[in-house]
Amino acid sequence: EPEVTQTPSHQVTQMGQEVILRCVPISNHLYFYWYRQILGQKVEFLVSFYNNEISEKSEIFDDQFSVERPDGSNFTLKIRSTKLEDSAMYFCASSGAIRGWRPLHFGNGTRLTVT
Amino acid sequence: DQQVKQNSPSLSVQEGRISILNCDYTNSMFDYFLWYKKYPAEGPTFLISISSIKDKNEDGRFTVFLNKSAKHLSLHIVPSQPGDSAVYFCAARQAYGSGNTGKLIFGQGTTLQVKP
Repeated sequence: EPEVTQTPSHQVTQMGQEVILRCVPISNHLYFYWYRQILGQKVEFLVSFYNNEISEKSEIFDDQFSVERPDGSNFTLKIRSTKLEDSAMYFCASSGAIRGWRPLHFGNGTRLTVT
Repeated sequence: DQQVKQNSPSLSVQEGRISILNCDYTNSMFDYFLWYKKYPAEGPTFLISISSIKDKNEDGRFTVFLNKSAKHLSLHIVPSQPGDSAVYFCAARQAYGSGNTGKLIFGQGTTLQVKP
């Protein structure tokens, strides 16, 4: 069964550094998402992406965050200057449709640790 | 802004018995409700969903019930198995349109432990 893959599985970085989290969504999917889960808290929506542009973003997704689909397969989340509070599991998800019904498929996540 | 709430952080049941996980929501504009299952070090895995126009959906051992008047849904697992032990997230999808892009809003999760 096709799956969403995320790399790396664990990223450790120092405060103030830039990080790029990578995702390869399911190949025929058109809608892409980033979510995060701070330890012990709920899974939170960050951003949705469709047709090479951001469709919707949450309050968390400020100017320090950006997303890109640089080619036909990868979908990346960049944090320009990491803060301690950015430490979390980051999940990429993709879906084949919105108007019809298709569940989101999630990757296994990247654990980001900011020291 | 907790639009989706799972008030029980944990649940423990005996193998073979029924597990009932509950979820409440506040937004009447949700059009689909989903349950995801999550093991440690893995992403959420889709389990079962229900449209807002239905009141029940069944898939094998898993049944989801929706009570729109009470804004409540529940997941029943019968019979429960030790392999069902995981964190279960309730999620709701905002209907597409008016700036909404079909994102999911998650509850806090309930950790289910099924004892052999």
